[in-house]
Amino acid sequence: NAGVMQNPRHLVRRRGQEARLRCSPMKGHSHVYWYRQLPEEGLKFMVYLQKENIIDESGMPKERFSAEFPKEGPSILRIQQVVRGDSAAYFCASSPSEQGATEAFFGQGTRLTVV
Amino acid sequence: KQEVTQIPAALSVPEGENLVLNCSFTDSAIYNLQWFRQDPGKGLTSLLLIQSSQREQTSGRLNASLDKSSGRSTLYIAASQPGDSATYLCAVRGSQGNLIFGKGTKLSVKP
Repeated sequence: NAGVMQNPRHLVRRRGQEARLRCSPMKGHSHVYWYRQLPEEGLKFMVYLQKENIIDESGMPKERFSAEFPKEGPSILRIQQVVRGDSAAYFCASSPSEQGATEAFFGQGTRLTVV
Repeated sequence: KQEVTQIPAALSVPEGENLVLNCSFTDSAIYNLQWFRQDPGKGLTSLLLIQSSQREQTSGRLNASLDKSSGRSTLYIAASQPGDSATYLCAVRGSQGNLIFGKGTKLSVKP
C-alpha cells in the first residue's frame, strides 16, 4: 500500500503562470486535506475534500486558489496567476472514510518556487 | 477558534538525555491529537495518535500523553539519539475534520 503520493516534488513557476499540484491519497482513503507551510512557520490548513465534494475551504484564499477531488484520479490544488508570496511547501494528507478518530497520513509535499 | 502552541520552539540536548516536548490547545473538544516528525525539506511522519478517550500512547522510545481537560499533551523521548534531530509537530483534530498544527519544536541532539 503506497503512501500519499504528491507530484511534482518541486515546481518552479514564473509570476503570472498557473501551478497545478497533484495528490493521490492512500488506497481506501476518501478524505483529502491540503496544507501550506511557509518558511519557519507551521502548517496552515487550506481545504478539506471528499470525493467530488469540498467539505471545508475556510483556509483557502478567496482568489486564484481552487481545489478538486474528482471521482476518478488525484486531488488537484490549482493556483492561478502565481505571485512570489505563493512560494511555499504544499502538503496533502489523507484519511480513511471514517472522519474524526482516524489517523492522517501526509505526502512528501510539493515545493513551489515562484520566480 | 482552536489554537495550538508548542513549547519550547527549539531545544538542544546531548545524546542520551531524556526530554519532554510540550503542546497545548485552547479548545478541549477534540477527536484526537497526533504527533509528527518533520525532517528538513521532507514531509511529515506520523509518530503517535492519541484518541480523545485515551491518556497516553507509546511507541518504542516515544511516549505521548494527553490531558484533554487541561488542553495539554507531552511527547517524551527517552535516551535521545542524534537521529532524533528533527522538528516535532503537534496537531489536534476537531469536529470540522481538519488538523490544526502548532509551529513545532526544533530538536537538536548533539553526539
